[in-house]
Amino acid sequence: AQKITQTQPGMFVQEKEAVTLDCTYDTSDQSYGLFWYKQPSSGEMIFLIYQGSYDEQNATEGRYSLNFQKARKSANLVISASQLGDSAMYFCAWLYSNASKIIFGSGTRLSIQP
Amino acid sequence: DAGITQSPRHKVTETGTPVTLRCHQTENHRYMYWYRQDPGHGLRLIHYSYGVKDTDKGEVSDGYSVSRSKTEDFLLTLESATSSQTSVYFCAIRQEGLPQETQYFGPGTRLLVL
Repeated sequence: AQKITQTQPGMFVQEKEAVTLDCTYDTSDQSYGLFWYKQPSSGEMIFLIYQGSYDEQNATEGRYSLNFQKARKSANLVISASQLGDSAMYFCAWLYSNASKIIFGSGTRLSIQP
Repeated sequence: DAGITQSPRHKVTETGTPVTLRCHQTENHRYMYWYRQDPGHGLRLIHYSYGVKDTDKGEVSDGYSVSRSKTEDFLLTLESATSSQTSVYFCAIRQEGLPQETQYFGPGTRLLVL
């Protein structure tokens, strides 16, 4: 069965350091997409970034970038110059293009320390 | 936020009673999703819709039904609520394609089944 995995339940990082959050997926599909979301303690889900399987270049949005390695089936989120406000849960999610389902990994809790 | 509202925002009910949660969008998106979020499980897909009267099951659909009679509304029904259905329920829409693929979430509904 296709699945999406986040292996880091929690991470502690010093402010201003770069952070890499891991996400791996398991599929034989050729067409798919990957999302990353942030969920602060207030509970809302905030879309961060998206990468399609056919996109040639890694997606970037401000301080967020997606390190997409198709051969390794990984789509890691990189946050540059972390800030205290980056402390939150982070989820990656998988879009099955054929079925339009979007399923989520179990999340990583990121704590930024001053 | 793509104009997504959920109602009610909070509900307390008793085991065995039927419950309907409503998701409403104002931007005519084709795809809509219902998720539940529980501690330690991230977000799990319950059902999703790819158009009026077109729905399909997700990962945890047992005990839930959905309906979509209008583009803007996606209803989730718990036919006979159980304590295991106590959770936070999120609705989401998928914005396809340009400028980029995006998924936006509603604010969530906290459901407590006693």
